Amino acid sequence: SQTIHQWPATLVQPVGSPLSLECTVEGTSNPNLYWYRQAAGRGLQLLFYSVGIGQISSEVPQNLSASRPQDRQFILSSKKLLLSDSGFYLCAWSYPVVNEQFFGPGTRLTVL
Amino acid sequence: DAKTTQPNSMESNEEEPVHLPCNHSTISGTDYIHWYRQLPSQGPEYVIHGLTSNVNNRMASLAIAEDRKSSTLILHRATLRDAAVYYCILRGGWGGSEKLVFGKGTKLTVNP
Repeated sequence: SQTIHQWPATLVQPVGSPLSLECTVEGTSNPNLYWYRQAAGRGLQLLFYSVGIGQISSEVPQNLSASRPQDRQFILSSKKLLLSDSGFYLCAWSYPVVNEQFFGPGTRLTVL
Repeated sequence: DAKTTQPNSMESNEEEPVHLPCNHSTISGTDYIHWYRQLPSQGPEYVIHGLTSNVNNRMASLAIAEDRKSSTLILHRATLRDAAVYYCILRGGWGGSEKLVFGKGTKLTVNP
C-alpha cells in the first residue's frame, strides 16, 4: 500500500531563517507530487507540483522553492522565511492520471 | 480554472441526511467534479468524483445535474465524524490540468 510522510509535524522558526520541509512517498512509482499551503482560516493554495524528477511547476510567486531530487521525494525550501510564510503545509501525491490526491499529515509552520 | 460556488457553512443533525450543494456554471465538457473534505488539523481526504452520471461509494453519493452546472454531495446519515470542510473542485479531463484548485468550501457542523 502507498503511504506519504511529511516531517517535521510542527516547526517554529525565526524570521529570516532558512526552511526545508521534506515529503516522501512509498509504495508507488512516478507519482505526481504537490505542495499546498493553508494559512489560518483560509483555503488550500497550491504552491508547486511536479510530474517527474527535476520537473517543478510553480503556481504563485513567492520566496519559496521546491525540488524533486528523487522520484518519490519532494522538498520545499526557503532561504529566508517571512512572517507571511506561517501556515499549514501539505504534501500530496497522485497517480499520473489524476483521479484522487492523497495528502500527508502536514507540517504546521510558525514564523516568529 | 473553472470556479465553483458553495455555501460557507451548513448544519445538520446526527443520523440525518445532508445535501451539500455546489454550483459550477462555467464547467466545460471535459471537467470532472471532485469532492474532498478536510477534518480539523488534517490534510484533505478524497470523497468522490464524477463526470456526468450520479456516483455512489461507501462514503457518499454525488448527484450531478443534467446540464452539469451544479452538483450535490449527499451524506446519507451524518455522523459527528463527518463534521469537516467540504470542497467541490473541478478538474480538467484527460490531458487537462493535473492540479486541483481548492476554494473555501462548506463547513459542515453536525449536531448530536
